Amino acid sequence: SYELTQPPSVSVSPGQTASITCSGEKLENKYVCWYQQKPGQSPVLLIYQDTKRPSGIPERFSGSNSGNTATLTISGTQAMDEADYYCQAWDSSLVFGGGTKLTVL
Amino acid sequence: QVQLVQSGAEVRKPGASVKVSCKASGYTFTTYAMHWVRQAPGQRLEWMGWINAGNGDTKFSQKFQGRVTITRDTSASTAYMELSSLRSEDTAVYYCARDGCTSCYYMDVWGKGTTVTVSS
Repeated sequence: SYELTQPPSVSVSPGQTASITCSGEKLENKYVCWYQQKPGQSPVLLIYQDTKRPSGIPERFSGSNSGNTATLTISGTQAMDEADYYCQAWDSSLVFGGGTKLTVL
Repeated sequence: QVQLVQSGAEVRKPGASVKVSCKASGYTFTTYAMHWVRQAPGQRLEWMGWINAGNGDTKFSQKFQGRVTITRDTSASTAYMELSSLRSEDTAVYYCARDGCTSCYYMDVWGKGTTVTVSS
């Protein structure tokens, strides 16, 4: 079965850029989306179809997908961005990455 | 506004079944698919399956094949997920989430989740 691999944790200083990766075989051939989940809350869609942002999502969130790696980039990271982030793709079944805990310190 | 309202928390004994509902509002129910995703305590999100709310077609994760049933009632704009032969490992928060279309494979609106506890 298809697997998506994310780093368990990423740390960033406020105002800096955070990059969270998601790796999978030939991932560039699939659409990737990203979700943010804060403790005790439901996930929120941040990015879909690799690079698109739903309305209401701040411009500081962006996505890319090339080769075997998709990347979620958060520019000018804020304290409120501290959360778990999940990538997701479809490969005959829907697959989530293991999640990355973003710490803003 | 688009909203998914899920049924309340459930407690079941091992071997029993549970049925969770998800009532949609604010959009045309049959125009979108609905996913079911669960999250065990401290664990990753896990996709269970989905239903095309228009024609009722379903697809399930291999992990849950044979144990999960997803249905919908178009007159009530409600989707249902039933999980049988429950075991302690099924203790989790169960979410319904709307697909971006009928087969976009991303989830743009999520319910608040239903906690299911399996304990003897």
